[in-house]
Amino acid sequence: GQQVMQIPQYQHVQEGEDFTTYCNSSTTLSNIQWYKQRPGGHPVFLIQLVKSGEVKKQKRLTFQFGEAKKNSSLHITATQTTDVGTYFCAGPRSGGSNYKLTFGKGTLLTVNP
Amino acid sequence: DTAVSQTPKYLVTQMGNDKSIKCEQNLGHDTMYWYKQDSKKFLKIMFSYNNKELIINETVPNRFSPKSPDKAHLNLHINSLELGDSAVYFCASSQDGGINTIYFGEGSWLTVV
Repeated sequence: GQQVMQIPQYQHVQEGEDFTTYCNSSTTLSNIQWYKQRPGGHPVFLIQLVKSGEVKKQKRLTFQFGEAKKNSSLHITATQTTDVGTYFCAGPRSGGSNYKLTFGKGTLLTVNP
Repeated sequence: DTAVSQTPKYLVTQMGNDKSIKCEQNLGHDTMYWYKQDSKKFLKIMFSYNNKELIINETVPNRFSPKSPDKAHLNLHINSLELGDSAVYFCASSQDGGINTIYFGEGSWLTVV
């Protein structure tokens, strides 16, 4: 079945440092979505990428979707303590059911002030 | 107004008991889901429903029985609870499956003792 892998599993940074998490799917995705879950909270949608090679920015966050639509990355510039949380990528398999969104295992980001 | 609301938020129960978690969404979405998040924070899809019809059942034990009385509600009933059922259960909804944003409820923290 479809597998979505994320690395690293954990990342600890000093406030102000940059952070990147990578997402790789075993199958082509029709789209990739990114979610953030604060400790004790629920996943909250950040962004969706649909096109091959697409790049989107949200303030200090930059999201990329690979050319083959099998990988993606999230880069945070100059991390802040408010960035703490687990970042998940997720996507439905291209040609598969749109009702099955497979999540990666997430990257837990901690930020030292 | 909470978009996706689920009750109860916390549930502690003994092995062998039967319990239910209720979920309601007021977003007008046609797709609803149950996700299970274990202690390692892995988000695993359990069920997807579209317009009250079961679309995805991810090899969940038949002790778990979802019920969707209408497209705004998706309840989860669990029979004969086991220790391994301890987890956070998230209800979620979206429009047209995974091609659009998924909105998560705040989660129901189930502890089986």
